[in-house]
Order: sequence, then C-alpha cells, then structure tokens
Amino acid sequence: EAGVAQSPRYKIIEKRQSVAFWCNPISGHATLYWYQQILGQGPKLLIQFQNNGVVDDSQLPKDRFSAERLKGVDSTLKIQPAKLEDSAVYLCASSLALGPSTDTQYFGPGTRLTVL
Amino acid sequence: DAKTTQPTSMDCAEGRAANLPCNHSTISGNEYVYWYRQIHSQGPQYIIHGLKNNETNEMASLIITEDRKSSTLILPHATLRDTAVYYCIVALAGDDKIIFGKGTRLHILP
Repeated sequence: EAGVAQSPRYKIIEKRQSVAFWCNPISGHATLYWYQQILGQGPKLLIQFQNNGVVDDSQLPKDRFSAERLKGVDSTLKIQPAKLEDSAVYLCASSLALGPSTDTQYFGPGTRLTVL
Repeated sequence: DAKTTQPTSMDCAEGRAANLPCNHSTISGNEYVYWYRQIHSQGPQYIIHGLKNNETNEMASLIITEDRKSSTLILPHATLRDTAVYYCIVALAGDDKIIFGKGTRLHILP
C-alpha cells in the first residue's frame, strides 16, 4: 500500500515570498491533517479535513496560511507571505477515522521549509 | 497542551528491552493511550494504542496501570533502528485529534 506522499521535500524561500505544499493521502482515507513541526518540538495540528470539509482549523494562522482539499483527495497548504518563524517541517497525515481501531494517523515524510 | 508527561531522553543498550514511561494522571475513562515514534527526518509512525488492557503487537507492548494514570511502552529487543523520539498521547476514541508533546528521545547504544 502506498503511503502518504508529499512534495516538495525541501524548500528555501525568502521572507515575504509565497510557498505551497502538496499532499496525496493514502487511497480511501477520508481524513487529512496538516501539522507544523518546529525544530525540537512535537508536531502541532494546523488543519483537519474530513473529505473536502474543514473539521478544525483553530490553530491555522489564517492571515497568512490557507489550505484546501478539492474533491476530497489531494490537499495543498499555502503560506503567503512567509515569515522567518514559519521555518519548520510541514507534515501531512491521513486516516480512515472510523473509530479507535481505524483512526491511526499515517504521516508523510514532510516538507522542510527554510525562510531566510 | 499535551496531557502526558514523559522523560526528555533515555538510553538503552542494543538487544535489551527499552521501557518508556508515560504519566497521564488526568486521563478520562473514554480516552485511549496512543504511542507514536518519529525517526530522524521522517514523519511520525504509529506504534500501538490501548484503553485499559495491556496490548501487544509486532512492534511493542503497552502496559497500562490499573488506575490508568500511567503506562509503559516496551520494545522487547531494541535495535539501533529504534533510535527515535517516542510520543505518548491520550485522545478520545473517534475524536481523530491527537496532541503531541515533546516526547522521549530514545538512544539505542551499540
């Protein structure tokens, strides 16, 4: 079974530039998550989708971050404009989310963003 | 905030059992204990979860105390590839949301 795919794996931009990350979840997984992981910390949930609807975006800095999941499959996360403190690894995860035995989250390898 | 407390780091000799403790004294009756690990430069990986009974799978064993206020993840025969950050998480069944703390950095020593 193919895992969660993310691209690009690495991105370096200057502050105030824009950047977008792409995620393809495991086939059939209804729930998709984007996390931000700053160096030395655990991942922090930014946004959660159930199919193509947003379940939780309370931790998403909406003045600069946006995310969409058109057609309930792939998702993109965008930052516009980027700040120095956005330097982090952005992780995408997906799950079946039908209950405790199926809500295991499967993570992609992440995109490491460096903002200069 | 994470609802769990874990040691910052631990060492374990290769081939020995690695026992990783976790305190979750405020766990509620319908919250599960989940363990994930994150190997360097990879995304987190699910290990095991449980409610009140001890659980075992091909990766590890999970021992939950009778009062459910703490648990221990056991890697029975640690290898160098088990070097990672291990996260203990409590979450409601079906809630889908998991909150990561800082985890325990486990070093397996040759």
